[in-house]
Amino acid sequence: DAGVTQSPTHLIKTRGQQVTLRCSPKSGHDTVSWYQQALGQGPQFIFQYYEEEERQRGNFPDRFSGHQFPNYSSELNVNALLLGDSALYLCASSLEWKTGGELFFGEGSRLTVL
Amino acid sequence: KNQVEQSPQSLIILEGKNCTLQCNYTVSPFSNLRWYKQDTGRGPVSLTIMTFSENTKSNGRYTATLDADTKQSSLHITASQLSDSASYICVVSAYGGFKTIFGAGTRLFVKA
Repeated sequence: DAGVTQSPTHLIKTRGQQVTLRCSPKSGHDTVSWYQQALGQGPQFIFQYYEEEERQRGNFPDRFSGHQFPNYSSELNVNALLLGDSALYLCASSLEWKTGGELFFGEGSRLTVL
Repeated sequence: KNQVEQSPQSLIILEGKNCTLQCNYTVSPFSNLRWYKQDTGRGPVSLTIMTFSENTKSNGRYTATLDADTKQSSLHITASQLSDSASYICVVSAYGGFKTIFGAGTRLFVKA
């Protein structure tokens, strides 16, 4: 049973560029959440997708956008990258978004903005 | 305001010793509380999950407790091993829509 998979694992971008990160949820899961984790900090909630719609959003600017596909996989897009966007981006999948189902995390995508 | 606070921020212990990590929360209405272990640069892995009616839950050398009245939880690690060196994150979820709040984590260092 494949767990949550994320790609790419590492990437380097320069300020002003755009980046797309991808996530495939654990088999059977229908909800995908994205988190940003700066070094030494806990994960910060970006947004959550269920049934191809953004259901909840954290305190992140519109530069951060996402998408969920019919197969439940998801993408996180960040436009106009800033140095402060350098972080580990975690994807987590779960079942039944309303009841706060257990989160299963991928290994993350490490983004470095130069 | 929904918050999860963890203490200590970091901790250094000798291999074989026990330790206890603390989590205080103000998330309401409470649904469940989870402890995750996160190795450096990796995704968090679930250790325990507890609902309102559960006081204690164990997972090997890890034992979590929950006091829903005082809104406190602890994670006790017994006979620590070098592989226990990681960040331990307390995560609390609320009912009524997706509200999951993460603590900043406790960074544990186990030394030989």
